[in-house]
Amino acid sequence: QKEVEQNSGPLSVPEGAIASLNCTYSDRGSQSFFWYRQYSGKSPELIMSIYSNGDKEDGRFTAQLNKASQYVSLLIRDSQPSDSATYLCAVNTLTGGGADGLTFGKGTHLIIQP
Amino acid sequence: GAGVSQSPRYKVAKRGQDVALRCDPISGHVSLFWYQQALGQGPEFLTYFQNEAQLDKSGLPSDRFFAERPEGSVSTLKIQRTQQEDSAVYLCASSLSLGPAGSTDTQYFGPGTRLTVL
Repeated sequence: QKEVEQNSGPLSVPEGAIASLNCTYSDRGSQSFFWYRQYSGKSPELIMSIYSNGDKEDGRFTAQLNKASQYVSLLIRDSQPSDSATYLCAVNTLTGGGADGLTFGKGTHLIIQP
Repeated sequence: GAGVSQSPRYKVAKRGQDVALRCDPISGHVSLFWYQQALGQGPEFLTYFQNEAQLDKSGLPSDRFFAERPEGSVSTLKIQRTQQEDSAVYLCASSLSLGPAGSTDTQYFGPGTRLTVL
């Protein structure tokens, strides 16, 4: 059973601060890791993808992956009220030439306080 | 270009009715996925197509759920004899291709269909 664990929150962060979102996964065969942002009543929107150990930066967002610890995180610098949303961690295991569906965590509800 | 589209956006059904949900993936995307998202939960995988072939249907909750993608493009998720527990948002996603991990396996989601079963 593949599992992805996230703290559901809410995580409250002051505007301008760094928001840190964490995720652990159970399947060591996982190869692709994604962070999606989901506003209330909307569909998931891709924020970051990461495939190799280490950090990957894109604007105010940094994804961090540690496969040995089965841990992936997302840092949001200079947090803005518009960053307030639910952040979903998703993991993909590519097996036998075919992809599995993504396994999602339940999401962390992030609130940026003005 | 156009993203993933889904219709209808909202569907209200009486218990026992059959419903059909449609997904138009991004043009040229080989892979198509269906997910079910209950309130306050992350999406849960239902089924997956590579072109017209349904390669994985392990997430379908019961034999009342059926999906097809006959020409390798548009897909339909059908739910027969709907039950109240089927109430959820049904999300469709597509990705360019399969194979080694990389940008081509990124899944892009449609707006979803919110199904309410009374």
